[in-house]
Amino acid sequence: AQSVTQLGSHVSVSEGALVLLRCNYSSSVPPYLFWYVQYPNQGLQLLLKYTSAATLVKGINGFEAEFKKSETSFHLTKPSAHMSDAAEYFCAVSAGTAGNKLTFGGGTRVLVKP
Amino acid sequence: DSGVTQTPKHLITATGQRVTLRCSPRSGDLSVYWYQQSLDQGLQFLIQYYNGEERAKGNILERFSAQQFPDLHSELNLSSLELGDSALYFCASSPSGSGSVGEQYFGPGTRLTVT
Repeated sequence: AQSVTQLGSHVSVSEGALVLLRCNYSSSVPPYLFWYVQYPNQGLQLLLKYTSAATLVKGINGFEAEFKKSETSFHLTKPSAHMSDAAEYFCAVSAGTAGNKLTFGGGTRVLVKP
Repeated sequence: DSGVTQTPKHLITATGQRVTLRCSPRSGDLSVYWYQQSLDQGLQFLIQYYNGEERAKGNILERFSAQQFPDLHSELNLSSLELGDSALYFCASSPSGSGSVGEQYFGPGTRLTVT
């Protein structure tokens, strides 16, 4: 079974500041990990995915995430926040094979202050 | 645009009624997943179909059912609707060829309001 915990349901950052969204997972098998973003009134867009090929994963829009097995974490970062980053972000895990359901964390809503 | 389409975008109906939500996956994707997003439950997996066959079930109520047709589009049927069924329903599809790691591509969702 898999589970995901996202620390902080709301995060507020200033424009130009570091964005750090925390995600911890639990999985009985080697996991596949994903970050999705949801803009208001839209569906979920894939930001990046961890596939065990590399522990540091780069995604779209300047985001990246680092897989740390010892900490069971997959935190998402962006060096410099932009106003357009205001959205809700979801971390998700699936079992270590393709074609499995996604288990999502509770989401973190990011507010970017000018 | 993910390539996954869902209709209708919005649906308002009364308690006790039945509705059908429709999803067309990305071209070539054989798997379709349905998720429910609500304020109290978050994003929850409901059911998965692969090439017309049910593959996995999640927290799907008995009043809900789904199917996937030969052209791979899928329908989610919700019956005897209750106020608590009001939510955003997402469909997602995933590639199934070699190199796929199970990433899913989501449609824009159908917002269901039960009054």
